[in-house]
Amino acid sequence: DTGVSQDPRHKITKRGQNVTFRCDPISEHNRLYWYRQTLGQGPEFLTYFQNEAQLEKSRLLSDRFSAERPKGSFSTLEIQRTEQGDSAMYLCASSLPGQGANYGYTFGSGTRLTVV
Amino acid sequence: DQQVKQNSPSLSVQEGRISILNCDYTNSMFDYFLWYKKYPAEGPTFLISISSIKDKNEDGRFTVFLNKSAKHLSLHIVPSQPGDSAVYFCAANRRGGATNKLIFGTGTLLAVQP
Repeated sequence: DTGVSQDPRHKITKRGQNVTFRCDPISEHNRLYWYRQTLGQGPEFLTYFQNEAQLEKSRLLSDRFSAERPKGSFSTLEIQRTEQGDSAMYLCASSLPGQGANYGYTFGSGTRLTVV
Repeated sequence: DQQVKQNSPSLSVQEGRISILNCDYTNSMFDYFLWYKKYPAEGPTFLISISSIKDKNEDGRFTVFLNKSAKHLSLHIVPSQPGDSAVYFCAANRRGGATNKLIFGTGTLLAVQP
């Protein structure tokens, strides 16, 4: 198993464009999380899936953001009409069934988004 | 409102000496605390955790201490090695079970000098 995989690693987009990121969790992990990290800050929670169900969403996840995990495996995070404030590292993490935040997630290397 | 605070943006330590990284929190509902380490261009890696019912947890060179009355925890690394140079994040989880989100601090950059 190669761990949590995120694609692309880097994305530069013009303001107003839509972008989509993909996350492939560790295969036996049914829990999947998205976080966002801006410069000088720690990761901030965006949303959480258990299998295909999106069970928790942060207020940070505005209407322009949507996350899906259609078959309970990989997940996508889409940002519509990107703004410069969306520039950040988007981190995906996964964990085993029954093991939530307290056990420590496994993070991917992230997708760095730059909106110009 | 920063519920988890790491007030030292950076720390420099000599190889072989002790590194002490500090973290303060404001929310008394937090019941689990974790430390993550992050190298450049990589995601955070889980290091060690502690439950609020304990005051110390040790794993090899890493020990986390929790002082609930002071709402303070610290990570001790002994002896420090150059490979420990990274950003260290403190994180907390709220009691309640339903939430799976971690609240992270802003991180401390540790530099271990050979």
